[in-house]
Amino acid sequence: KQEVTQIPAALSVPEGENLVLNCSFTDSAIYNLQWFRQDPGKGLTSLLLIQSSQREQTSGRLNASLDKSSGRSTLYIAASQPGDSATYLCAAYPTGTASKLTFGTGTRLQVTL
Amino acid sequence: DAGVTQSPTHLIKTRGQHVTLRCSPISGHKSVSWYQQVLGQGPQFIFQYYEKEERGRGNFPDRFSARQFPNYSSELNVNALLLGDSALYLCASSFRVAESYEQYFGPGTRLTVT
Repeated sequence: KQEVTQIPAALSVPEGENLVLNCSFTDSAIYNLQWFRQDPGKGLTSLLLIQSSQREQTSGRLNASLDKSSGRSTLYIAASQPGDSATYLCAAYPTGTASKLTFGTGTRLQVTL
Repeated sequence: DAGVTQSPTHLIKTRGQHVTLRCSPISGHKSVSWYQQVLGQGPQFIFQYYEKEERGRGNFPDRFSARQFPNYSSELNVNALLLGDSALYLCASSFRVAESYEQYFGPGTRLTVT
């Protein structure tokens, strides 16, 4: 059974700092790895999808990497802003024909002025 | 193009009642999945449907059921509601039910059971 863990559970940083969020998974036989953002009481916003043949993806100030052999993914946020405050979730796509995602419990990020 | 839509946005029910949640996938998508997200946790997989057939089921009791219609929209039904069913219910659609196809999430339905 796939288990996804996110560390830290919560993080508070001053504006302008660079930060790294971690996601680890127990079964390395995953296909894709996706990072989402969730604002309080809201749905999921997709940030980055790292597909099977890729090792990283970049979008603006965000960079996500994937190392299947070690069971780890990281989300790097450069020059953090108060608007980045949210919960960040990672989700693993299993191999095979079913696409049931397994989510981590999330990292709650607060960026202070 | 419209994204995944869900209705209603919020609803409040009483223990023991029944609820139906609805989801419309992105145009052209044939697979719909349902997830439950309890406060403070990550979403948990409930069901996946493709071409009106159930393709996967998570560890949820039989009080939970779903179906997919010919237009690929879907309903999630929950009977005999418990307080613990209070959660955000998320629907996701994808073009097909294969590992390579990205899932796109709707805004969710917030269910409160009192």
